Amino acid sequence: DAGVIQSPRHEVTEMGQEVTLRCKPISGHNSLFWYRQTMMRGLELLIYFNNNVPIDDSGMPEDRFSAKMPNASFSTLKIQPSEPRDSAVYFCASSLGQNGNTIYFGEGSWLTVV
Amino acid sequence: SQQGEEDPQALSIQEGENATMNCSYKTSINNLQWYRQNSGRGLVHLILIRSNEREKHSGRLRVTLDTSKKSSSLLITASRAADTASYFCATDAEGDKFYFGSGTKLNVKP
Repeated sequence: DAGVIQSPRHEVTEMGQEVTLRCKPISGHNSLFWYRQTMMRGLELLIYFNNNVPIDDSGMPEDRFSAKMPNASFSTLKIQPSEPRDSAVYFCASSLGQNGNTIYFGEGSWLTVV
Repeated sequence: SQQGEEDPQALSIQEGENATMNCSYKTSINNLQWYRQNSGRGLVHLILIRSNEREKHSGRLRVTLDTSKKSSSLLITASRAADTASYFCATDAEGDKFYFGSGTKLNVKP
């Protein structure tokens, strides 16, 4: 399996622009997670889907952030409008969705908002 | 917060030495996992230990879990320069939601 695939790997955008990050989970996994990593705050869980349904979005920082999972093989995380403080590495991860299963991470999307 | 917190924040050792990292957490858990992150990369799963287990081994890795103290330790024996990375513990108290600590940055000097 190719693992969790994220795109883009790197993005530099201007403040106010819309940013869309994409994720393809591992085939057969039914849980998907979006994490954000910064030096200051470490790894933060933003949102968690199970069987394509958002289960917990309490980690989403503001209304500017939204996430969707239209089908089992695709998810997006959108920031609109983007701000410099959104600069971070955004990780998508997936798991089999059963208690105690390993979470597999993508390589991350490195976002810089200038 | 249910996050695990690793200690120390940074650790520098010589190749061949053992490295021990600790993780403390706040609430009861079902499982605890350790992950490694090389600079600029995603997190890679190392080992999972369940709440009813006390110790687990995987190659040069040894993980212990003390649920009474709400703590875990990761021991890397005979460290190598390639072990240089950040190490995170992840805890779950709500099914599949895992929360990560801030990590221990390990530097193994050749």
